[in-house]
Amino acid sequence: NAGVTQTPKFQVLKTGQSMTLQCAQDMNHNSMYWYRQDPGMGLRLIYYSASEGTTDKGEVPNGYNVSRLNKREFSLRLESAAPSQTSVYFCASRGGRGWNSPLHFGNGTRLTVT
Amino acid sequence: ELKVEQNPLFLSMQEGKNYTIYCNYSTTSDRLYWYRQDPGKSLESLFVLLSNGAVKQEGRLMASLDTKARLSTLHITAAVHDLSATYFCAGPLDLGAGNMLTFGGGTRLMVKP
Repeated sequence: NAGVTQTPKFQVLKTGQSMTLQCAQDMNHNSMYWYRQDPGMGLRLIYYSASEGTTDKGEVPNGYNVSRLNKREFSLRLESAAPSQTSVYFCASRGGRGWNSPLHFGNGTRLTVT
Repeated sequence: ELKVEQNPLFLSMQEGKNYTIYCNYSTTSDRLYWYRQDPGKSLESLFVLLSNGAVKQEGRLMASLDTKARLSTLHITAAVHDLSATYFCAGPLDLGAGNMLTFGGGTRLMVKP
């Protein structure tokens, strides 16, 4: 039972390069999330998707775009990477009625921008 | 927007001792969530607290929610080394965005023999 799968696990980019972080869940959840975690800090919400075709900005959306391709997949794109985007990125999903269910997290993508 | 503050940020304790981690939040919320993260790993859900006075227990951990005081606590009883991890509380970002969760900065717990 895979749960939430993120790819890649590690990535190094040069400033200005672009990339897409992939996330897929097999739990038939409606809600999906992208968070970033910086060293010694909590998680900050980048974007949220309540269902296929809908996305909302979170706490730190600048510099990112997202796409909810279908119910399973939610991708995060960095169009022009900056060193400030060096972080660990977590994708999460949530089922049930949302508020009464916990988030299920993927294993994270460690991104370094030089 | 909800702001979540945890204290202490770092806690070093000896095995067998009891301690409490506090999670204060800034605006009205009737739900609060606790997560655990081991070093270099992902987060796993510990507790979902959905009403004032809610109390949940799992092993040596017990979480409670006081919505009037805007406070949740995570109590550790007779700590063991396996509880060493970072613990996060989280709540709804704001009233109109109940499905978006915002996290506290985490409490890093080290349990020493």
